[in-house]
Amino acid sequence: DGGITQSPKYLFRKEGQNVTLSCEQNLNHDAMYWYRQDPGQGLRLIYYSQIVNDFQKGDIAEGYSVSREKKESFPLTVTSAQKNPTAFYLCASSTLQGSPLHFGNGTRLTVT
Amino acid sequence: AQTVTQSQPEMSVQEAETVTLSCTYDTSESDYYLFWYKQPPSRQMILVIRQEAYKQQNATENRFSVNFQKAAKSFSLKISDSQLGDAAMYFCAYRFIQGAQKLVFGQGTRLTINP
Repeated sequence: DGGITQSPKYLFRKEGQNVTLSCEQNLNHDAMYWYRQDPGQGLRLIYYSQIVNDFQKGDIAEGYSVSREKKESFPLTVTSAQKNPTAFYLCASSTLQGSPLHFGNGTRLTVT
Repeated sequence: AQTVTQSQPEMSVQEAETVTLSCTYDTSESDYYLFWYKQPPSRQMILVIRQEAYKQQNATENRFSVNFQKAAKSFSLKISDSQLGDAAMYFCAYRFIQGAQKLVFGQGTRLTINP
């Protein structure tokens, strides 16, 4: 079955450590996105990518980094520069023809 | 910048009744897409319904329908015959049709279904 896989589901890190969240899709979608969700709030865009080896900052990119070396993969690194990294992170993908975004199941990151 | 506003943080409805969730948006574009997503306690984002701005006809998916008022920049979701499984957070979202086609979300409405 085609879909988006995010791993791990839960992730715990100590403050000051970088951590990388995985996102893989087998839908052959060109565009991929990372969103952050805080309790009781909507989704905010961190980074997005339309093609391999290219990506753009979203609304809250500070303290995050991404890469897009393969069409299927769009990992997100939460660096120690991110002031409040504890959140729920959602990865999504879509075609570039205005179709809906397909979402992964998310990763809950807790930094203490 | 495009913004999406959901003015109802929480709503509740009796099972089998009808409920309407409100959404307004701000844009200078003439063509775009609008979506409603549902997020149950599992936190999986599930597409409920989609509307293309160039279509005047309101989208419908089974018990879910929208009232799209382009001039008023309003996009409400009506859920008929509410079921316990409809309980979730509902997010309204706007998608650009040009460029990166980012999806901009509202703050969400938490819907409770009373048995």
